[in-house]
Amino acid sequence: KQEVTQIPAALSVPEGENLVLNCSFTDSAIYNLQWFRQDPGKGLTSLLLIQSSQREQTSGRLNASLDKSSGRSTLYIAASQPGDSATYLCAVMPTDSWGKLQFGAGTQVVVTP
Amino acid sequence: DGGITQSPKYLFRKEGQNVTLSCEQNLNHDAMYWYRQDPGQGLRLIYYSQIVNDFQKGDIAEGYSVSREKKESFPLTVTSAQKNPTAFYLCASSPTLEYWDTEAFFGQGTRLTVV
Repeated sequence: KQEVTQIPAALSVPEGENLVLNCSFTDSAIYNLQWFRQDPGKGLTSLLLIQSSQREQTSGRLNASLDKSSGRSTLYIAASQPGDSATYLCAVMPTDSWGKLQFGAGTQVVVTP
Repeated sequence: DGGITQSPKYLFRKEGQNVTLSCEQNLNHDAMYWYRQDPGQGLRLIYYSQIVNDFQKGDIAEGYSVSREKKESFPLTVTSAQKNPTAFYLCASSPTLEYWDTEAFFGQGTRLTVV
């Protein structure tokens, strides 16, 4: 069974530092990996989707890499701002169960001014 | 504005009652999903539907029921058989394009509390 892990569970950085968030998964048979942001009490906002054939995706200050063979993805957020404070979740779509995204528990990020 | 609308935002249920959570989307997506989120845990899939009049159980379907009579609507009923219903419920949808390009979009959630 696919398992998705995000370590650390929480992270605090001063404003301006780069953020590095990790996601690992146990089964490399995936269609894609998606990164989401969740603010307290709110729904999920899609940040980036990386197809299984891709190595990375970029959007503004965000860059996500994917190493399918080692079961790892990393989300980089450059020059962090207090507005980046949120919980970040990753999810994979396994090839043997389309539509059934498997989520990690998330990394809670606090960016201090 | 295209998106997913969940209502109500907060819902209180008495013991033994059934309650229905609403989810509507105007993104013209074929697939819709219901997830449950508990503190410190990842999202867990309750039910999903790839097409109208068809739906499949997810990992934690016991105590829940759904219907998919219209493409844009996917209501979730939490029945009295669900022993621990207090949680944050999230509805999502996605297009059924090529599998590797299927991106999920989420609503703002409904917080259900048993009183």
